Amino acid sequence: EVQLVDSGGGVVRPGGSLRLSCAASGFGLDDYAMSWVRQVPGKGLEWVSGINWNGGSTSYADSVKGRFTTSRDNAKNSLYLQMNSLRAEDTALYHCARVVGDLRVNYGMDVWGQGTTVTVSS
Amino acid sequence: DIQMTQSPSSLSASVGDRVTITCRASQSIGTYLNWYQHKPGKAPKLLVWAASSLQRGVPLRFTGSGSGTDFTLTISSLQPEDFASYYCQQSYTSPGTFGQGTRLEIK
Repeated sequence: EVQLVDSGGGVVRPGGSLRLSCAASGFGLDDYAMSWVRQVPGKGLEWVSGINWNGGSTSYADSVKGRFTTSRDNAKNSLYLQMNSLRAEDTALYHCARVVGDLRVNYGMDVWGQGTTVTVSS
Repeated sequence: DIQMTQSPSSLSASVGDRVTITCRASQSIGTYLNWYQHKPGKAPKLLVWAASSLQRGVPLRFTGSGSGTDFTLTISSLQPEDFASYYCQQSYTSPGTFGQGTRLEIK
């Protein structure tokens, strides 16, 4: 079964760091670009970051640029999101998602993880 | 960044109704437009890609259309399981911005 499982969420103080993980199964991660998408409670979906198939190219939303870093380990079939200098407005449910096509020009995200919750609070 | 504007933001309808959600891009995106369904506590689900291509397994009552800057998602006959939030997303360039969403509620 094709599946993504997100993990690593938790409660962290403002200014703190957290590393999210996404484990892929049922398909080869190195065949796909990947993205992170978040949903703030009570609000809509926000694309956060993306990474191409081999990690050679990444892209970030302005709201997280310079603070978040996306990486991948294809040998481990895993995707990561390192989040530094966290702010209250980063509180959200974070999903990893498989991209159909290239990092920047593609046909959407067809497989999603169930999400992992990040809460930034003092 | 490309801005995506959806309307309406919420919609009340009954089972069997035909509903249409619109999405407008701030610049031309060709047909790089996708639609997702999202239910509380679940992962979003890709319904339509490339403006009008139905994702495998999605019922035929869902139809996407449009190109350039204006797009629509139509549900021809609402079923109980269709009550959810719907989002458009452009994938013409990064960041792949989403519309603000349309919450479809039972009347």
